[in-house]
Amino acid sequence: NAGVTQTPKFRILKIGQSMTLQCAQDMNHNYMYWYRQDPGMGLKLIYYSVGAGITDKGEVPNGYNVSRSTTEYFPLRLELAAPSQTSVYFCASKPVGNEQFFGPGTRLTVL
Amino acid sequence: RKEVEQDPGPFNVPEGATVAFNCTYSNSASQSFFWYRQDCRKEPKLLMSVYSSGNEDGRFTAQLNRASQYISLLIRDSKLSDSATYLCVDLNAGNMLTFGGGTRLMVKP
Repeated sequence: NAGVTQTPKFRILKIGQSMTLQCAQDMNHNYMYWYRQDPGMGLKLIYYSVGAGITDKGEVPNGYNVSRSTTEYFPLRLELAAPSQTSVYFCASKPVGNEQFFGPGTRLTVL
Repeated sequence: RKEVEQDPGPFNVPEGATVAFNCTYSNSASQSFFWYRQDCRKEPKLLMSVYSSGNEDGRFTAQLNRASQYISLLIRDSKLSDSATYLCVDLNAGNMLTFGGGTRLMVKP
């Protein structure tokens, strides 16, 4: 199993540009999550999904959108990038009640 | 008040020392607890689950005190490779994980 994969690893955006952060998992987990982690800080939940077709907002959803058309994929969309969205983005998945598995992260800089 | 609170540290300890981290949580309905380890510029990885009766995994011991709503992690005989940030995590009834801000440990030779 590849586990949780994320692309790209790094990206630099200009203010106002848009992009999609990709996340995929091959473990057939129902739950998937997007977090952001600012330097020296903890993880903040952006959006999550409890299964295909179901998504919900986390703690910091503003400026982001998600979709979950299949169990495997959970892309995160930034429509109008702002400097405040400079962060490391982690995607994660888990089965019910157990360990959460993280992807390697995407480092995003908005200039 | 944050839902899961940790002392950010850093804790600077010599090799071989014993170090303990505490974490408090505010959600009395939280069901399960975990300690995750995060190396610099890497993703968090599960270190160990925390059971009500306390549990040990090699040099690591985790304990849960539901009455006082705190969790602890004890590391014995610290190694240089233990240097990392340790994240306290709780799992609530909605299957949501809440992460603390992390405690940074630096083990020096």
